Amino acid sequence: GNSVTQMEGPVTLSEEAFLTINCTYTATGYPSLFWYVQYPGEGLQLLLKATKADDKGSNKGFEATYRKETTSFHLEKGSVQVSDSAVYFCALSDRDNQGGKLIFGQGTELSVKP
Amino acid sequence: DGGITQSPKYLFRKEGQNVTLSCEQNLNHDAMYWYRQDPGQGLRLIYYSQIVNDFQKGDIAEGYSVSREKKESFPLTVTSAQKNPTAFYLCASSIAYSLNTEAFFGQGTRLTVV
Repeated sequence: GNSVTQMEGPVTLSEEAFLTINCTYTATGYPSLFWYVQYPGEGLQLLLKATKADDKGSNKGFEATYRKETTSFHLEKGSVQVSDSAVYFCALSDRDNQGGKLIFGQGTELSVKP
Repeated sequence: DGGITQSPKYLFRKEGQNVTLSCEQNLNHDAMYWYRQDPGQGLRLIYYSQIVNDFQKGDIAEGYSVSREKKESFPLTVTSAQKNPTAFYLCASSIAYSLNTEAFFGQGTRLTVV
C-alpha cells in the first residue's frame, strides 16, 4: 500500500542554519505531495504542496521539489529561525481512493536554538 | 472566519465510559476526517466521510463510531471498546473528490483516560 517515510527526529539546529528534512514515498500512480507543520499543542497547517512531478512547492522560505525518479519530497530552508521550531509532516494524497484522504509520515521534530 | 472548530480542547474520561468529541466546519467542505495522533507515530485515519449520511472506516476504526447527519458536523465517539484511547485527536475537512486540494485541520482534542 501507499506509505510515507520521513527522517527521524528530533533535529536540532542553530539559528540561520540550513535545514533538510528527508521524505520518501511509496505510491501507485501519481499522488499529490504535501508538507504540514504542527506547532506545540495545535492542529496541522499546510506549509506547501506539489501536485505533479518536478513541481516545486514553496512558502515562508521553505521549499520542496516533487522528484518522481527518486520518489522523494525533501523539505529545505536556507536559514531557519527559532520560530520554525515545530513538528513537520510529509503527506501524500491517495489517488487510488477518491476523496483525497491523506497518508502521513511519522513527523520530524525540529528545534532551533538561538 | 472560515475554519474547523473542535471541542473540547481537553477531555478526561474514566475507564468504561463513552465520550464524544465535537467537530464543526463552516468551509462548506463535503469531506471530513478524524485522525488520531500518538507520539512518534504520525497521524492515523480513524473514519472519514465524503457526503452527508455516509462514512467509511479508516485504518484504526475499532472502538470508535461517527455520524454525519449534517454537512457541517462530524462528531467522533470513543467507546469503552477502545483499549487505549489516550491520544490527541484531529478533525479535518477538504473538498471531496479533489485529489490536489489540501485538508484543513482543527486545533485538536487531547483525550486522557483517568
